[in-house]
Order: sequence, then C-alpha cells, then structure tokens
Amino acid sequence: DVKVTQSSRYLVKRTGEKVFLECVQDMDHENMFWYRQDPGLGLRLIYFSYDVKMKEKGDIPEGYSVSREKKERFSLILESASTNQTSMYLCASRKPTLGSQPQHFGDGTRLSIL
Amino acid sequence: AQSVTQPDIHITVSEGASLELRCNYSYGATPYLFWYVQSPGQGLQLLLKYFSGDTLVQGIKGFEAEFKRSQSSFNLRKPSVHWSDAAEYFCAVGASSGGSNYKLTFGKGTLLTVNP
Repeated sequence: DVKVTQSSRYLVKRTGEKVFLECVQDMDHENMFWYRQDPGLGLRLIYFSYDVKMKEKGDIPEGYSVSREKKERFSLILESASTNQTSMYLCASRKPTLGSQPQHFGDGTRLSIL
Repeated sequence: AQSVTQPDIHITVSEGASLELRCNYSYGATPYLFWYVQSPGQGLQLLLKYFSGDTLVQGIKGFEAEFKRSQSSFNLRKPSVHWSDAAEYFCAVGASSGGSNYKLTFGKGTLLTVNP
C-alpha cells in the first residue's frame, strides 16, 4: 500500500513565522500535491510537483511556496504565516503514467496560526 | 475545465438503510471519476474509481458507483449502511487527456450521519 506521511498532525504557529509542512511518500511517485481543506470549500490545490525540482502553481498559491529536492519529499512553506492560513493541509502523491491513477493522501496537518 | 457538483451537503440515514450520494460532473470527454471518503481528522481514502469499461464499479467497504454518461453522473451507493460509514464523501473528476491530466477537481463533499 502507498504510504504518504505528513510530519505533523497538529501545528500551532504565530503570525509572521515561517512555517514548514513536510510530506514523504514511499512509493516512488513522481507527482506530489499540496491541498488545503476548509469547511464548505472542499479541497483546493495549492501547488503541484510533477517531478524532482519541478513545481507548478495550483489554484491558490498566494502566500505559499514549495520545495522538492528529493523525489520522496515535498515541502510546503508559508513564508510569513497569517491567520487566514489556518486550515487543514493535505498532501497527496500519484504515479503520472495515466490520468486514471488516483491520488493517495496523507492524514493531514491541522495548522493554526495565532 | 472540469467541475464537480455534489448537491447534498449533509445526509442522514438510519443504520441498515440504503444510501445514495449524488455526484454530477462537467467535462468535455470521458472523464476519470473517483470517490474518496474522509473520516474525522483523517486524510482521504480512495473508495473506487472509474476510467473505462463496465459503468458499474465496485469499491471497498461494500460501496459501488455507476457512471451514467447521459446524465453526467457518478452516484455512490451502498445497500446497507453501517455506523462506521459516517464520514465525509468526496467525488472527484480527472481529465483523460491534455496537459492537465494530473489534476483532480473535487466536489465540496457530502457529510454522512448515520443514526442508530
């Protein structure tokens, strides 16, 4: 089974801090994703990486950046955290060979910015 | 661009009753379709997927879904709901071609409550 591991389940940070959310997958998947999930809004794609050192903006990239230095690890960075970035963050990975391949999700990081 | 609509925000059923969760999609060609389930505080787990062939697909935990091209629908069903099925359910559509075939578009979810 695919295992996608997010380093923290819960995280509390202060406004203005630089925040790192880490995600690791163990299935040698090229594609990795970061979403945020908010009540009533569903899942929204922040950033996508189709391979090492490759990244593409999703639907809501403002205020975020990402890093993909190794295939198994995809980091989401909040350069200067703000209260409106309080949310559930979900990481996912998939094989890129066909669009039919599903995304596999981690358990999420619930981030609170005070 | 593809889109997904889950018309029901919240559904309540009694344990043992049948269940149908609705999903309508918009996409110009044959889409790839997925149903995910999210238990409280957890990530999303894949229930089933459709990309070709038999329009009735079976998934895990006794769920099935039927692809109906004429209605642009992919409704999720279960004949007898268990209390452990209480969760939020997400329908998603993926492009079958083009440069954005990595992308999934999710519906906003349907929250399922199961009464004893």
